[in-house]
Formats: sequence, structure tokens, C-alpha cells
Amino acid sequence: EAGVTQFPSHSVIEKGQTVTLRCDPISGHDNLYWYRRVMGKEIKFLLHFVKESKQDESGMPNNRFLAERTGGTYSTLKVQPAELEDSGVYFCASSQDGTGFLREKLFFGSGTQLSVL
Amino acid sequence: LAKTTQPISMDSYEGQEVNITCSHNNIATNDYITWYQQFPSQGPRFIIQGYKTKVTNEVASLFIPADRKSSTLSLPRVSLSDTAVYYCLVGGGGFKTIFGAGTRLFVKA
Repeated sequence: EAGVTQFPSHSVIEKGQTVTLRCDPISGHDNLYWYRRVMGKEIKFLLHFVKESKQDESGMPNNRFLAERTGGTYSTLKVQPAELEDSGVYFCASSQDGTGFLREKLFFGSGTQLSVL
Repeated sequence: LAKTTQPISMDSYEGQEVNITCSHNNIATNDYITWYQQFPSQGPRFIIQGYKTKVTNEVASLFIPADRKSSTLSLPRVSLSDTAVYYCLVGGGGFKTIFGAGTRLFVKA
């Protein structure tokens, strides 16, 4: 069974440019999450999809970040325009448990290392 | 959401048993305790999850006392490849998961 895949693994862009990160969850997983670790700090929640719907996007830092999950399959996270403080590792995770978040087991991708210069 | 406290780092030698304790004093009645492992350049990987008493799988054991205000991850006979960061999470899974700083385990030969 294929795991969660993220693309690209690394991205280097200049301040002001746009970058789109992609996440392919495990097939059949309705829940998809985005997290990020910025500047060596702790991993922080960004948002949560259930199928194609945004369940919670309270962790999104500002309106320069836009996440989509068309058709409830893969998801994209766009940063436009990118700023220096957006540099970090962006992780995607998926889970199968559709009810009761309390027992969720998350499956993470390897992350996208974003560097904004 | 319950916050957790773990040691920042631990050292061990190959073949030893390693116990990492996590404090979660304000754990809620319905909260589960989940541990993840993370290697450099990889995402966190689920290790074990429990609610009370003891849970064991092929990788680790999780000990949870009756008051559930702490938990201990036990790794039997660690090897060099167990060098990683270990995170203790309490409560919701992906939903606003609070990872904390984790415990950096360094296994020496």
C-alpha cells in the first residue's frame, strides 16, 4: 500500500513568488491534514479536510495560504506571495478514522522543505 | 487540548531498554495517548496508542498509570536505528494536534 506522498520534496523560491505543494493521501483516507515546522520550532497544525470540505483551518497563518482538496483526493497548499518567514517543512498527513478524532492514527508524508530567499 | 511535557533528550546504548516518560496532567476523560517517532527528513510515524494500563505491540510498550496523568513509552533493546525524536500526543489525533518539542533519543554503539 502506497503511503502519503508529497511533492516536491524541496522547493527554493524567492520572496514574492508563488509555490504550490501537493499531497496525495493514502487511498481511502477521508481525513487530510497539513502541518508545518518553521525555523526549527514545533510542528504546528495548519488545517484539516474531511473529503473535499475544510473541517478546520484555524491554524492557517494568514490569507497568503490557500489549501484545496478537489474531489476529496489529493490536496494542494499554495503560498502566494511567499515571505521569508514561510520557510520550513510542510507535512501532510492522512487518516482513515472518520469519526472520533480521539483515536486517530495519522500517516505522514516525508514533507516538503520550503526555502524562501 | 492537553499539553504534554517530555524530557528534551536522552542517551542510551545499543541493547538497552529505554523508557521515555510524558506528563499530561490535564488529560481529559476521553483522551487517548499516542506516540510518534520521527527520523530526520521524514514525517512522524505512529508507534503506539493507548488509553489506560498497558499496551504492547511489535515495536514498543506503553504504560499508563491509573490516574492517566503520565505515560511511559518503553523501547526494548534499542539499536542505532532507534535514534530519533519521539513525540507524546494527548487527545485529538490530527485535529489541532499539539506535538510539543519531543524527546531526542540518541543511541550509541
